[in-house]
Amino acid sequence: KQEVTQIPAALSVPEGENLVLNCSFTDSAIYNLQWFRQDPGKGLTSLLLIQSSQREQTSGRLNASLDKSSGRSTLYIAASQPGDSATYLCAVLTGANSKLTFGKGITLSVRP
Amino acid sequence: DGGITQSPKYLFRKEGQNVTLSCEQNLNHDAMYWYRQDPGQGLRLIYYSQIVNDFQKGDIAEGYSVSREKKESFPLTVTSAQKNPTAFYLCASSIVRGRRETQYFGPGTRLLVL
Repeated sequence: KQEVTQIPAALSVPEGENLVLNCSFTDSAIYNLQWFRQDPGKGLTSLLLIQSSQREQTSGRLNASLDKSSGRSTLYIAASQPGDSATYLCAVLTGANSKLTFGKGITLSVRP
Repeated sequence: DGGITQSPKYLFRKEGQNVTLSCEQNLNHDAMYWYRQDPGQGLRLIYYSQIVNDFQKGDIAEGYSVSREKKESFPLTVTSAQKNPTAFYLCASSIVRGRRETQYFGPGTRLLVL
């Protein structure tokens, strides 16, 4: 059974800091890995999707890497801003049924 | 604008009552999903549908039912058999249930028990 872990559950940083959010998964036989953002009381917004054959994806100040063999992914946020404050969820797509398994998320607070 | 709409934003359920959450998409997506999110928890799949008139149980289908009579619509009914329904419910859709496509999420419905 696939399990996705995101540690720590919460993180607080000062504005301008570069930061890394970590995600680990137990079954390396994934099709892809996604990072989502969720604002309080809202739905999820897809940030980056990395196919299993890829090592990283970039969008603006965000860079996500994937090391499938070790079961790890990182989301790098450059020059953090208060508007980056949200919960970031990692999810992996696996199995014959193309099931998406989510981590519990990391709640990020960027202090002005 | 293309997207997914969910209604209502908040829903209150009395003991023994069935309630239905609406999910509509105008993205022309074939696949639709219902997830449940509890505080501090990841999303858990309730039901999914890959095509009209077909749907499959997810990990926590007990106490829930769905229908898929139209491509655009995938309503979720929370029945009285669901003993702990208080949660945030998210609907999602994707072009196909496949390996490359991301899922697009609606704004969610928060269900509370009176």
